[in-house]
Amino acid sequence: EVQLVESGGALVQPGGSLRLSCAASGFTFSSYNMNWVRQTPGKGLEWISYIDSSSNTIHYADSVEGRFTVSRDNAKNSLYLQMNSLRADDTAVYYCARDLFMVGTTDAFDIWGPGTLVTVSS
Amino acid sequence: DIQMTQSPSSLSASVGDRVTITCQASQDIAIYLNWYQQTPGKAPKLLIYDASNLQTGVPSRFSGSGSGTDFSLTISSLQPEDIATYYCQHYANLPPTFGGGTKVEIK
Repeated sequence: EVQLVESGGALVQPGGSLRLSCAASGFTFSSYNMNWVRQTPGKGLEWISYIDSSSNTIHYADSVEGRFTVSRDNAKNSLYLQMNSLRADDTAVYYCARDLFMVGTTDAFDIWGPGTLVTVSS
Repeated sequence: DIQMTQSPSSLSASVGDRVTITCQASQDIAIYLNWYQQTPGKAPKLLIYDASNLQTGVPSRFSGSGSGTDFSLTISSLQPEDIATYYCQHYANLPPTFGGGTKVEIK
C-alpha cells in the first residue's frame, strides 16, 4: 500500500525548534518530488515547502523561508522538515504530500500522510 | 501570490442532487487547477487534476471544468459519502495556493 506517515509533532514554546519526519512506503520514494503542506482553522491549507527527488531543487513559502529547512534521505525513504524560531502562527497540522507527476516543480498532491499536530505556545 | 476564491463557502443539498462548486483565480492559470475532498480529521484527497482529469479511483460522478480564471467542480448525483469540504488549488507558479474551501452538507 502506498503510504506516507508523519511524526514529530509536539507542543513547543515560541522560539523553539522541532523536526518533523515523514516515512514513505509502497512506492519508489527516490523517484518522487515531495512537499510539506500545513493546515490551520484560520488560514486553511498552506503549501510551505517543496523538494525534488534528488534534493537539487528546494522551494519555500515566504512565511517559513529562513526558518524551516526541508531535506530527504532516499536510502531511508524519509522526508524531513526542520523548524526553527517557531511562532504561534506556525501552529497547524503538518502534512507531507507527494507530487503526482515526476517531472516539473510542484503540481497536484496525490498522496498525503494523516498529518502531525504542531502547537506553538508558552 | 495568486488568490483562489471559492463559492459558495457552504451548501446544503439533497441526496441525488447535482452540486456545483466554483473557483476563481486572481490571474490566468491555464488548466493548472486541482480539486481535493477532505472529511473531518482526514487529509485531503485528490479528486481532479489539470482542471478536468479524474484521479484514479475517484467515482465518475465527480467532474471538473474550466480554464484561465474560472473553474468548477460538479457532483452529478450527491451521495451521503460526499459530505466533506472541497478545496481548489492552483500550481501555475510558486507558491501553489488553495481556495478557502466549500463545505457540502446533506439537506
